[in-house]
Amino acid sequence: AQSVTQLGSHVSVSEGALVLLRCNYSSSVPPYLFWYVQYPNQGLQLLLKYTTGATLVKGINGFEAEFKKSETSFHLTKPSAHMSDAAEYFCAVRRIGAGSYQLTFGKGTKLSVIP
Amino acid sequence: EAGVTQFPSHSVIEKGQTVTLRCDPISGHDNLYWYRRVMGKEIKFLLHFVKESKQDESGMPNNRFLAERTGGTYSTLKVQPAELEDSGVYFCASSQGGSGMYNEQFFGPGTRLTVL
Repeated sequence: AQSVTQLGSHVSVSEGALVLLRCNYSSSVPPYLFWYVQYPNQGLQLLLKYTTGATLVKGINGFEAEFKKSETSFHLTKPSAHMSDAAEYFCAVRRIGAGSYQLTFGKGTKLSVIP
Repeated sequence: EAGVTQFPSHSVIEKGQTVTLRCDPISGHDNLYWYRRVMGKEIKFLLHFVKESKQDESGMPNNRFLAERTGGTYSTLKVQPAELEDSGVYFCASSQGGSGMYNEQFFGPGTRLTVL
C-alpha cells in the first residue's frame, strides 16, 4: 500500500522568503509524484509532476520539486514567496502502470505568507 | 473550455436523509473519479469510472454509497441514508482516456456535505 506524509499541517513564511514544503512517500516501487494546490473555493490544480527523466521538475508559478529516490522524498520549493502563494498544498502519488489511476494524497499543508 | 463542475457546492442534511451529488466532467474525458476529504484528514479515493463502467471502486466506504455514470457523461454519487461520518468535501476529477504515461486529473471545486 502507498502512503504520503506531509510534514507540517501549517507553514508560515514571510513574503520574499524561501518556501519549503516537505513530502515523503512510502511505496514498494517509485510511483508517479504530484503536487496540487487548492486556493480558497476552488478545485485542486496541478502544480507539477514527476513521471520519469530529470528528477528536478519545474511547475507553474515558480515552484519546483526534486525527486530523491534514496530519501523517498519529493519536497516542493519556491525561492521567493508571494502573497498569492497562500493556499493549501497537497502531495500525491500514483502507482505506475495500467489499471487503477487513483491518487493517494497527503494530509495537506496550509501555507500562509506574511507581508 | 469549461472545467469540472460539481453541484451543489454545499449541502446540509439530517442524519438518515438521502443526498445526491452531481459531477460534470470536462467534455470528452473518459475517466471520472470521486474523492472525499473528511475534516482534518487526507483526500481519499472513492472510485474511478472509465466511460460508464466502474474501473475501481475499492475506496467506497460501504453500501450506503452508490455512484453512477449513465451514458458515460455526468456522474452522480448518492448517499442513502446519510450518517454523521459522511460529512466532508466530495471532489470529482476527470482525465482523458487513452494509454498515456499518465493522465492529469482535473479537479472540480468540491461539494461540502454536512450531516447533522
